[in-house]
Amino acid sequence: GEDVEQSLFLSVREGDSSVINCTYTDSSSTYLYWYKQEPGAGLQLLTYIFSNMDMKQDQRLTVLLNKKDKHLSLRIADTQTGDSAIYFCAGTYKYIFGTGTRLKVLA
Amino acid sequence: EADIYQTPRYLVIGTGKKITLECSQTMGHDKMYWYQQDPGMELHLIHYSYGVNSTEKGDLSSESTVSRIRTEHFPLTLESARPSHTSQYLCASSEGGQGPYGYTFGSGTRLTVV
Repeated sequence: GEDVEQSLFLSVREGDSSVINCTYTDSSSTYLYWYKQEPGAGLQLLTYIFSNMDMKQDQRLTVLLNKKDKHLSLRIADTQTGDSAIYFCAGTYKYIFGTGTRLKVLA
Repeated sequence: EADIYQTPRYLVIGTGKKITLECSQTMGHDKMYWYQQDPGMELHLIHYSYGVNSTEKGDLSSESTVSRIRTEHFPLTLESARPSHTSQYLCASSEGGQGPYGYTFGSGTRLTVV
Protein backbone atom coordinates (compact mmCIF):
# COMPACT_ATOMS: atom_id res chain seq x y z
CA GLY A 1 0.00 0.00 0.00
CA GLU A 2 0.87 3.64 -0.15
CA ASP A 3 3.20 5.01 2.52
CA VAL A 4 4.08 8.64 2.97
CA GLU A 5 6.71 9.21 5.64
CA GLN A 6 7.93 12.38 7.32
CA SER A 7 10.21 13.07 10.25
CA LEU A 8 8.13 13.90 13.32
CA PHE A 9 9.83 17.01 14.66
CA LEU A 10 11.97 19.89 13.50
CA SER A 11 13.24 22.78 15.57
CA VAL A 12 14.88 25.86 14.06
CA ARG A 13 15.84 29.36 15.16
CA GLU A 14 13.91 32.35 13.89
CA GLY A 15 15.48 33.67 10.69
CA ASP A 16 17.05 30.33 9.73
CA SER A 17 15.83 28.13 6.91
CA SER A 18 13.68 25.07 7.60
CA VAL A 19 13.66 21.96 5.44
CA ILE A 20 10.86 19.45 5.87
CA ASN A 21 11.24 16.14 4.08
CA CYS A 22 8.76 13.58 2.76
CA THR A 23 9.27 10.18 1.15
CA TYR A 24 6.56 8.23 -0.60
CA THR A 25 6.19 4.79 -2.12
CA ASP A 26 3.69 5.34 -4.93
CA SER A 27 4.44 7.66 -7.86
CA SER A 28 0.93 7.81 -9.34
CA SER A 29 0.12 11.29 -8.09
CA THR A 30 -0.13 14.01 -10.73
CA TYR A 31 0.42 16.70 -8.11
CA LEU A 32 2.12 16.72 -4.73
CA TYR A 33 1.06 19.10 -2.02
CA TRP A 34 2.19 20.69 1.20
CA TYR A 35 -0.33 21.60 3.87
CA LYS A 36 0.03 23.53 7.13
CA GLN A 37 -2.01 22.87 10.27
CA GLU A 38 -2.03 25.40 13.08
CA PRO A 39 -3.23 24.42 16.58
CA GLY A 40 -6.94 23.74 16.77
CA ALA A 41 -7.48 24.21 13.05
CA GLY A 42 -7.91 22.19 9.89
CA LEU A 43 -5.24 21.88 7.23
CA GLN A 44 -4.47 24.76 4.90
CA LEU A 45 -3.05 24.21 1.42
CA LEU A 46 0.36 25.93 1.22
CA THR A 47 1.71 25.00 -2.17
CA TYR A 48 1.88 22.21 -4.73
CA ILE A 49 4.17 20.90 -7.45
CA PHE A 50 3.33 19.15 -10.70
CA SER A 51 4.87 15.69 -10.82
CA ASN A 52 6.99 16.43 -13.88
CA MET A 53 8.68 19.44 -12.25
CA ASP A 54 11.83 19.38 -10.14
CA MET A 55 11.40 22.63 -8.28
CA LYS A 56 8.83 25.30 -7.57
CA GLN A 57 9.40 28.55 -5.71
CA ASP A 58 6.62 30.57 -4.12
CA GLN A 59 7.87 33.55 -2.08
CA ARG A 60 9.58 32.03 1.02
CA LEU A 61 8.61 28.49 0.05
CA THR A 62 10.65 26.21 -2.22
CA VAL A 63 9.43 22.75 -3.13
CA LEU A 64 11.89 20.19 -4.45
CA LEU A 65 10.83 16.93 -6.03
CA ASN A 66 13.14 14.00 -6.75
CA LYS A 67 10.99 11.48 -8.57
CA LYS A 68 13.74 8.92 -8.87
CA ASP A 69 14.18 8.76 -5.10
CA LYS A 70 10.47 9.50 -4.42
CA HIS A 71 11.48 12.37 -2.20
CA LEU A 72 9.69 15.69 -1.71
CA SER A 73 10.92 18.57 0.41
CA LEU A 74 9.65 21.95 1.55
CA ARG A 75 12.12 24.69 2.34
CA ILE A 76 10.94 27.73 4.28
CA ALA A 77 13.34 30.66 4.04
CA ASP A 78 13.68 33.17 6.89
CA THR A 79 11.50 31.06 9.19
CA GLN A 80 9.26 33.07 11.51
CA THR A 81 7.51 32.14 14.76
CA GLY A 82 4.23 32.20 12.83
CA ASP A 83 5.52 29.28 10.79
CA SER A 84 5.33 27.03 13.88
CA ALA A 85 2.77 24.38 12.93
CA ILE A 86 2.42 20.83 11.67
CA TYR A 87 3.26 20.32 8.00
CA PHE A 88 1.85 17.50 5.88
CA CYS A 89 2.79 16.32 2.42
CA ALA A 90 0.17 14.61 0.26
CA GLY A 91 -0.40 13.31 -3.24
CA THR A 92 -3.52 12.92 -5.31
CA TYR A 93 -3.38 9.14 -5.18
CA LYS A 94 -5.68 7.52 -2.63
CA TYR A 95 -6.07 10.71 -0.61
CA ILE A 96 -3.25 9.75 1.75
CA PHE A 97 -1.36 12.30 3.82
CA GLY A 98 2.09 12.07 5.29
CA THR A 99 2.63 11.42 8.96
CA GLY A 100 3.17 15.15 9.63
CA THR A 101 6.20 17.15 10.82
CA ARG A 102 5.84 19.45 13.81
CA LEU A 103 7.95 22.56 13.19
CA LYS A 104 8.91 24.62 16.21
CA VAL A 105 10.51 28.01 15.64
CA LEU A 106 12.59 29.36 18.50
CA ALA A 107 12.73 33.12 18.96
CA GLU B 1 -12.89 32.86 5.36
CA ALA B 2 -13.90 29.22 5.57
CA ASP B 3 -15.93 27.75 2.74
CA ILE B 4 -16.35 24.46 4.53
CA TYR B 5 -18.01 24.38 7.90
CA GLN B 6 -17.98 21.78 10.62
CA THR B 7 -20.23 21.73 13.65
CA PRO B 8 -19.88 21.38 16.51
CA ARG B 9 -16.25 22.42 17.11
CA TYR B 10 -16.13 20.55 20.41
CA LEU B 11 -18.38 17.79 21.72
CA VAL B 12 -18.29 15.83 24.96
CA ILE B 13 -20.84 13.03 25.19
CA GLY B 14 -21.51 9.90 27.18
CA THR B 15 -20.90 6.35 26.03
CA GLY B 16 -23.73 4.85 23.99
CA LYS B 17 -25.09 8.13 22.64
CA LYS B 18 -25.84 8.64 18.97
CA ILE B 19 -24.12 11.64 17.43
CA THR B 20 -23.93 13.33 14.06
CA LEU B 21 -21.02 15.53 13.03
CA GLU B 22 -22.03 18.07 10.43
CA CYS B 23 -20.00 19.17 7.42
CA SER B 24 -21.16 21.61 4.77
CA GLN B 25 -19.36 23.31 1.91
CA THR B 26 -20.43 26.20 -0.30
CA MET B 27 -18.00 25.64 -3.18
CA GLY B 28 -20.03 23.08 -5.14
CA HIS B 29 -17.24 20.51 -4.81
CA ASP B 30 -18.14 16.99 -5.88
CA LYS B 31 -15.59 15.20 -3.71
CA MET B 32 -15.80 15.19 0.07
CA TYR B 33 -13.82 13.35 2.75
CA TRP B 34 -13.75 12.56 6.44
CA TYR B 35 -10.45 12.10 8.23
CA GLN B 36 -9.76 11.02 11.79
CA GLN B 37 -6.69 12.62 13.30
CA ASP B 38 -4.64 10.96 16.03
CA PRO B 39 -3.33 12.92 18.98
CA GLY B 40 0.04 12.08 17.42
CA MET B 41 -0.94 14.04 14.30
CA GLU B 42 -1.42 11.38 11.61
CA LEU B 43 -4.59 11.64 9.47
CA HIS B 44 -6.55 8.54 8.56
CA LEU B 45 -9.16 8.54 5.80
CA ILE B 46 -12.39 7.00 7.09
CA HIS B 47 -14.96 7.95 4.41
CA TYR B 48 -15.13 9.69 1.07
CA SER B 49 -17.70 10.60 -1.55
CA TYR B 50 -17.45 11.39 -5.25
CA GLY B 51 -20.87 13.00 -5.39
CA VAL B 52 -24.52 12.71 -4.43
CA ASN B 53 -25.49 9.17 -3.41
CA SER B 54 -21.85 8.03 -3.59
CA THR B 55 -20.03 7.00 -0.41
CA GLU B 56 -17.02 4.78 0.16
CA LYS B 57 -15.08 3.58 3.17
CA GLY B 58 -11.54 4.74 3.59
CA ASP B 59 -8.41 2.94 4.68
CA LEU B 60 -9.13 3.12 8.40
CA SER B 61 -11.98 0.93 9.51
CA SER B 62 -14.57 3.01 11.31
CA GLU B 63 -17.88 2.27 13.00
CA SER B 64 -19.22 5.57 11.71
CA THR B 65 -21.48 5.98 8.69
CA VAL B 66 -21.93 8.83 6.23
CA SER B 67 -24.53 10.01 3.75
CA ARG B 68 -24.45 12.34 0.74
CA ILE B 69 -27.96 13.37 -0.16
CA ARG B 70 -26.97 16.89 -1.22
CA THR B 71 -23.75 18.04 -2.85
CA GLU B 72 -23.01 20.53 -0.09
CA HIS B 73 -23.67 18.29 2.90
CA PHE B 74 -21.69 15.25 4.15
CA PRO B 75 -22.66 14.33 7.73
CA LEU B 76 -20.95 11.60 9.76
CA THR B 77 -22.94 9.55 12.27
CA LEU B 78 -21.92 7.35 15.18
CA GLU B 79 -24.85 5.21 16.29
CA SER B 80 -23.34 4.36 19.68
CA ALA B 81 -20.34 6.36 20.76
CA ARG B 82 -17.51 4.73 22.71
CA PRO B 83 -14.39 6.14 24.37
CA SER B 84 -12.31 4.68 21.52
CA HIS B 85 -14.08 7.17 19.21
CA THR B 86 -12.47 10.07 21.03
CA SER B 87 -10.51 11.95 18.37
CA GLN B 88 -10.39 14.96 16.08
CA TYR B 89 -12.56 14.60 12.96
CA LEU B 90 -11.71 16.67 9.89
CA CYS B 91 -13.94 17.15 6.88
CA ALA B 92 -12.52 18.21 3.50
CA SER B 93 -13.66 18.76 -0.06
CA SER B 94 -12.03 19.07 -3.47
CA GLU B 95 -12.94 19.76 -7.05
CA GLY B 96 -13.07 16.91 -9.52
CA GLY B 97 -10.86 16.78 -12.57
CA GLN B 98 -7.10 16.72 -13.05
CA GLY B 99 -6.06 20.14 -11.83
CA PRO B 100 -3.94 21.01 -8.77
CA TYR B 101 -6.94 21.76 -6.66
CA GLY B 102 -5.91 20.20 -3.40
CA TYR B 103 -8.27 19.95 -0.48
CA THR B 104 -10.15 22.58 1.49
CA PHE B 105 -10.49 21.56 5.11
CA GLY B 106 -12.96 22.50 7.79
CA SER B 107 -11.77 23.49 11.26
CA GLY B 108 -12.55 20.08 12.69
CA THR B 109 -14.71 18.61 15.45
CA ARG B 110 -12.94 17.46 18.58
CA LEU B 111 -15.00 14.62 20.01
CA THR B 112 -14.58 13.28 23.54
CA VAL B 113 -16.59 10.27 24.64
CA VAL B 114 -16.69 9.73 28.39
